[in-house]
Amino acid sequence: KAGVTQTPRYLIKTRGQQVTLSCSPISGHRSVSWYQQTPGQGLQFLFEYFSETQRNKGNFPGRFSGRQFSNSRSEMNVSTLELGDSALYLCASSLFQDRWFSPLHFGNGTRLTVT
Amino acid sequence: GENVEQHPSTLSVQEGDSAVIKCTYSDSASNYFPWYKQELGKGPQLIIDIRSNVGEKKDQRIAVTLNKTAKHFSLHITETQPEDSAVYFCAAFSGNTPLVFGKGTRLSVIA
Repeated sequence: KAGVTQTPRYLIKTRGQQVTLSCSPISGHRSVSWYQQTPGQGLQFLFEYFSETQRNKGNFPGRFSGRQFSNSRSEMNVSTLELGDSALYLCASSLFQDRWFSPLHFGNGTRLTVT
Repeated sequence: GENVEQHPSTLSVQEGDSAVIKCTYSDSASNYFPWYKQELGKGPQLIIDIRSNVGEKKDQRIAVTLNKTAKHFSLHITETQPEDSAVYFCAAFSGNTPLVFGKGTRLSVIA
């Protein structure tokens, strides 16, 4: 079974631009979560989608947004990029929302560098 | 909300020795505690998890213990090998809230 696939693996953008990251979950998984990973802050939760609906949102500014499609694939968008947005963005999928029944499985991430 | 603290932030052990990483959580309603291993250039990989209805779980050289009263859980790796070198993250889950992670432990196994 293929794992979680994130594209692209690397991105370099300029401050003020916007960026879209893509995530294809494990086949059959309906829940997709996004995390931002930085050396200082660790893994910070961005948002979670289940059946095309945002179920949870982390403490990030409105410049960060996401969506999920009917095939469970997900995208996240960051507008008006800032230098501090440089990070590894991780997508994770699971069968359900409840982690008791359904662990998170991560992709290898998209490394975003903002210059 | 939930807060997870992880110690130590770095850990060096000799090959063959044991390694222990400890985490504490704040929300007594948390009921699921996974551990992830992240190697360079890769995403975190689930290596073991424990649910609140058990106190200990073992998988070959890896074991996890949970003390619900004290609200802490630990990862134990025995007979460490160089390929165990990585960053390890603990996490806690409570109800419908997102999984909350500790800040990670960088484990170095010295051959």
